[in-house]
Amino acid sequence: GPKVLQIPSHQIIDMGQMVTLNCDPVSNHLYFYWYKQILGQQMEFLVNFYNGKVMEKSKLFKDQFSVERPDGSYFTLKIQPTALEDSAVYFCASSFLDKQYFGPGTRLTVL
Amino acid sequence: GDSVTQTEGPVTVSESESLIINCTYSATSIAYPNLFWYVRYPGEGLQLLLKVITAGQKGSSRGFEATYNKETTSFHLQKASVQESDSAVYYCALGMQQGTGSKLSFGKGAKLTVSP
Repeated sequence: GPKVLQIPSHQIIDMGQMVTLNCDPVSNHLYFYWYKQILGQQMEFLVNFYNGKVMEKSKLFKDQFSVERPDGSYFTLKIQPTALEDSAVYFCASSFLDKQYFGPGTRLTVL
Repeated sequence: GDSVTQTEGPVTVSESESLIINCTYSATSIAYPNLFWYVRYPGEGLQLLLKVITAGQKGSSRGFEATYNKETTSFHLQKASVQESDSAVYYCALGMQQGTGSKLSFGKGAKLTVSP
């Protein structure tokens, strides 16, 4: 079936640095999402994105976070600067309508 | 806010035995949420197992079933006879009724191990 890819699979970074997580969504999808899962907790919604704009963001989507998808390329989540509490697995998803397809996740470790 | 509470793993079942993974939801902002079960097999991304959007209806896929019960706000996942290949992590989730582009709220996931 359709696959969402995420690059890299694991990223280790020092606190205060910038990180960009990349998502390659399913090619004809229109809606894009990021979710965050801290170890031992449930996956939580961060943000969704459509037609070049953020639709909704949760309280977890701090001011240090931003998303974009320039010219139909990767859908990215940028964190600048990173904090220790940003350590988690970040999952990207995409959908044409309401059925979301998820990537395998990027494990972010902030030291 | 909206939330999902489900059986948390690990859940260990012998092959050919029956399975039930409990899920209850609280939808304060949505009168009739869409309900989902997602599954993550080892080494793979999360994938949709089944979805039900109408209260009282049952969804089924790959031998799994779940019934949307609005009275008890439950959406338990059941299978009559599990196989080793069903070993995975199962997540219950809810979404908006008009779900296009909207967020999902997930439970913590239940890791199922089916022993031969």
